[in-house]
Amino acid sequence: SQTIHQWPATLVQPVGSPLSLECTVEGTSNPNLYWYRQAAGRGLQLLFYSVGIGQISSEVPQNLSASRPQDRQFILSSKKLLLSDSSFYLCAWSVGTSGNTIYFGEGSWLTVV
Amino acid sequence: GDSVTQMEGPVTLSEEAFLTINCTYTATGYPSLFWYVQYPGEGLQLLLKATKADDKGSNKGFEATYRKETTSFHLEKGSVQVSDSAVYFCALSLSGAGSYQLTFGKGTKLSVIP
Repeated sequence: SQTIHQWPATLVQPVGSPLSLECTVEGTSNPNLYWYRQAAGRGLQLLFYSVGIGQISSEVPQNLSASRPQDRQFILSSKKLLLSDSSFYLCAWSVGTSGNTIYFGEGSWLTVV
Repeated sequence: GDSVTQMEGPVTLSEEAFLTINCTYTATGYPSLFWYVQYPGEGLQLLLKATKADDKGSNKGFEATYRKETTSFHLEKGSVQVSDSAVYFCALSLSGAGSYQLTFGKGTKLSVIP
């Protein structure tokens, strides 16, 4: 069966520090990978998605970036965090197209202080 | 563009009450429709889905019917429990090549009190 893991689960970082959130998927090949952000009490915002190694589509211009160094690994990064980056970040995966289900990881709580 | 509109929350119900969370959508194609649930502090879990008109998705006592004529996918449960307290998201995904994304509603927070 397929599983998704993301880490760290919680993170407190000072303003201006770098960020790296990692996500891996097991039990499937060539998944579509996603990073979503969910601010407190608000809906989901798609940040990035990737349909293959080295293929990243950005949905929202900001100080975040994403990379996919391996088929089942997706990394969310920032060189300098802002207070406004405090949020709940969710990695997700799917396979194929045509309305397939997207499956989410456990999420990572980021607090920028 | 494609969009999902779901009823504003929060919704507070007593245990064993009937639940309806309304969801309507706008899409240019023929979407698949989903309900996800998010328990406090956790990621989203797929609750149920329907891929074509008149399909009924069901899981854990929840059900929703894909109504193309009213562009709706309302979530219902006949008797809610305290453990159903969570945020519920309606979402759509277009079919066809290149359709990788889900469009989410803003979520509806449900609180069930004993």
